[in-house]
Amino acid sequence: NAGVTQTPKFQVLKTGQSMTLQCAQDMNHEYMSWYRQDPGMGLRLIHYSVGAGITDQGEVPNGYNVSRSTTEDFPLRLLSAAPSQTSVYFCASSYSRQGGYGYTFGSGTRLTVV
Amino acid sequence: SQQGEEDPQALSIQEGENATMNCSYKTSINNLQWYRQNSGRGLVHLILIRSNEREKHSGRLRVTLDTSKKSSSLLITASRAADTASYFCATPMIKAAGNKLTFGGGTRVLVKP
Repeated sequence: NAGVTQTPKFQVLKTGQSMTLQCAQDMNHEYMSWYRQDPGMGLRLIHYSVGAGITDQGEVPNGYNVSRSTTEDFPLRLLSAAPSQTSVYFCASSYSRQGGYGYTFGSGTRLTVV
Repeated sequence: SQQGEEDPQALSIQEGENATMNCSYKTSINNLQWYRQNSGRGLVHLILIRSNEREKHSGRLRVTLDTSKKSSSLLITASRAADTASYFCATPMIKAAGNKLTFGGGTRVLVKP
């Protein structure tokens, strides 16, 4: 089915390790973004992209890198994991970079950093 | 840059009752969106209402928007146990161009059978 696919669903990392969270969409959406969801803090925007080759920072970008080499894929890299990065991560995409369209969310990656 | 805040934070109702939750925001917007999140799952887009609209319906959902009061409400009529979820309003980020959304903290709705 069409949608946003995130892998892995669960991950445990040790402090200092690096990893990449994968996100892929098959709807030809221009806009893609990464959020983290923490109890009591809602969803916070990490990075976003308005098209292939174009990325920008959100509210909480420190410790994360992104790239968008294709329309379909938008991986999120944790450079050196810290316990503060324990969270649930969601990738979301939307039809247009211009706004006015709803987001399609992936099912999330639950990350624990020990 | 957080815009929207939902009220109440939690709501418990009996199956068949209506559930109403509110969202307040701070600055002018061109649209406001509502999402549902079931436990352990991603968010699902429910409805988008534009700033020139006052009310919108989708099945058992009714959304209103009052731009003068900078507030929106989501009404779920004839609730079912399957409506148990968290509900979030989302608005375009302050001073942001394009499609960046900010989400409120959500309303947790429990529908008891």
